[in-house]
Amino acid sequence: DADVTQTPRNRITKTGKRIMLECSQTKGHDRMYWYRQDPGLGLRLIYYSFDVKDINKGEISDGYSVSRQAQAKFSLSLESAIPNQTALYFCATSDGPTGQIYGYTFGSGTRLTVV
Amino acid sequence: TQLLEQSPQFLSIQEGENLTVYCNSSSVFSSLQWYRQEPGEGPVLLVTVVTGGEVKKLKRLTFQFGDARKDSSLHITAAQPGDTGLYLCAGSRKGDSGNTPLVFGKGTRLSVIA
Repeated sequence: DADVTQTPRNRITKTGKRIMLECSQTKGHDRMYWYRQDPGLGLRLIYYSFDVKDINKGEISDGYSVSRQAQAKFSLSLESAIPNQTALYFCATSDGPTGQIYGYTFGSGTRLTVV
Repeated sequence: TQLLEQSPQFLSIQEGENLTVYCNSSSVFSSLQWYRQEPGEGPVLLVTVVTGGEVKKLKRLTFQFGDARKDSSLHITAAQPGDTGLYLCAGSRKGDSGNTPLVFGKGTRLSVIA
């Protein structure tokens, strides 16, 4: 099994619908992140969580919300999807003290299309 | 405003050529990381540099962290088709509660033609 699992891998949804992207990890890491990747824009941080009781907004949090259900689970919700939220979404984890050495572990991504 | 500027954005070269990708910023970073991403997958860490002036080598890849810890470069010697992919630099800065989450450059898309 992958260290970081994202579901679904692909999703097409209609404008105005609520959608949840899920992420689970087996790394035992405290820190989890949601990034969005758009062509030519790199990865931009949406939300991050340093432990179960900690939630922080990232660079582009408007229109998104998150829930940290457990150390291993971090879900991203789009309350009312709009077409410009069409993107590739990545969940990542890191070990707090050594994340800057061993880097982030990314899932394989969820390709979301809002029509 | 992009915190980390990568150049070039696209690079297409012949097998066997050398290349350098740059990652520049006006901010100081406590560490810089380089990732490689292939289609349909998430980025995978190649290297982390933490000390100003540090040079690390990974087979044919050489990574350097600038003396002032504001920039980094990735040099590939004798590129091979297997080096094709998206190369991302990412940095972390010191915040009030430890290192901040990684910020990423826009990436350099490398294509090595056999």
